[in-house]
Formats: sequence, structure tokens, C-alpha cells
Amino acid sequence: SAVISQKPSRDICQRGTSLTIQCQVDSQVTMMFWYRQQPGQSLTLIATANQGSEATYESGFVIDKFPISRPNLTFSTLTVSNMSPEDSSIYLCSVLAEPSTDTQYFGPGTRLTVL
Amino acid sequence: QKEVEQNSGPLSVPEGAIASLNCTYSDRGSQSFFWYRQYSGKSPELIMFIYSNGDKEDGRFTAQLNKASQYVSLLIRDSQPSDSATYLCAVKGLRGSARQLTFGSGTQLTVLP
Repeated sequence: SAVISQKPSRDICQRGTSLTIQCQVDSQVTMMFWYRQQPGQSLTLIATANQGSEATYESGFVIDKFPISRPNLTFSTLTVSNMSPEDSSIYLCSVLAEPSTDTQYFGPGTRLTVL
Repeated sequence: QKEVEQNSGPLSVPEGAIASLNCTYSDRGSQSFFWYRQYSGKSPELIMFIYSNGDKEDGRFTAQLNKASQYVSLLIRDSQPSDSATYLCAVKGLRGSARQLTFGSGTQLTVLP
């Protein structure tokens, strides 16, 4: 399986500010995803990060709030913009590491608290 | 109706017993089924995947799939306290993004020493 790292691992931010989360994979992967896991809840897909083009967002998530970059096949960033306390969550990067088995693996996550 | 449903638990079993975790899904076109384990404060860890009807065994874990009943389960034999975690069922289908994983809400398992 791919080794996925995320930075920062956690952060405490003030309302109205923005935070950029980085995801680095140790090998080239075809697909990368960003998920959110709110306290006590399951995972919700925010968007699919497409290499060289705009991300594909799921219903309820918009580019202005969650801009995503994917400059190459091993790296992506997610920005949480104009944060409010409701954005307090764990943000997880995920990759489709083995297309033949359709399996996805998750990074360690970024725990965000917005005051 | 939720797309992927799990009993939230908590489910408690004694050490050495079999833990049975269940999941149902609504999209009959679903193709791939996954079980993830998530320890408190950690990210999900893939433990099993299954595509075909029947059983798939990997060590102490057995995944069972019944597409006609739209049901997938995970059995953990000889349960250990270290198996205490939340188990997430996830399904990939044909709705929305072709590669989209839809997660259940998870079942919290506690294995009592």
C-alpha cells in the first residue's frame, strides 16, 4: 500500500482565516481524494483531486470554500477558506493505490479546530 | 434511506468470541465492498475487501457478501482487546463518481478481556 503523509497533523485556527493542508504520497497514484470526518461521524467525500485540472466536488462542497490543487501524481493540497467553528473536523487525504483491486488508503488526517 | 447502513453499536463481545458486524446498502449496482478499522483518534485502515458473493477469509477476519440481499458482513474470530475499534463499511458503486466510496456510520466494537 502507498505511504501517505499529511501536514499539519493538527491546528487550531481563528474564525475567518484559511488553512492549507498538504498530502504527499510516496508513489504516483491515479486518483486522490479529500474527505471530512466531523466529530463522532463517518467520512464524507469533499472532492476528487484531478491532476492538471479542476477538482470534482461532491454535493454540498464548493471550490470557493475548499480550493484544491494537484500539481502532480504524488501531491495535493486542500485549503479550508474563511473558516468557522462548523469547519472543525478531521480532514483526510485518500488515494486509489491499486486500481486493479479498487482499494483506497487513507493518510493520517489533519485535526482542525476553529475557534 | 441511508445508502450504507450499519448498527452503530456499541457491540461488546468477550475475548476469544466471534464478533459479527453487519452492513446493508441501497444501491443494487454496487460493485466493491470494503471494511475499514478506525481506532480512536486515528485514520481508517483497510482490513478487507470483497467483490463476489460468498465468503472471503484473511486470518481471523472473514468478509461475507450477499448481493441479492444487499448485505455485507465482517466476522472477527478469536476477538482480542486490540480489535476494539470502530469498523466502517464502505461501498463503491455506479452512482455519482465512478470511484466514490460511500461509508456507513460505523459500528463501535469493544472486546472485553
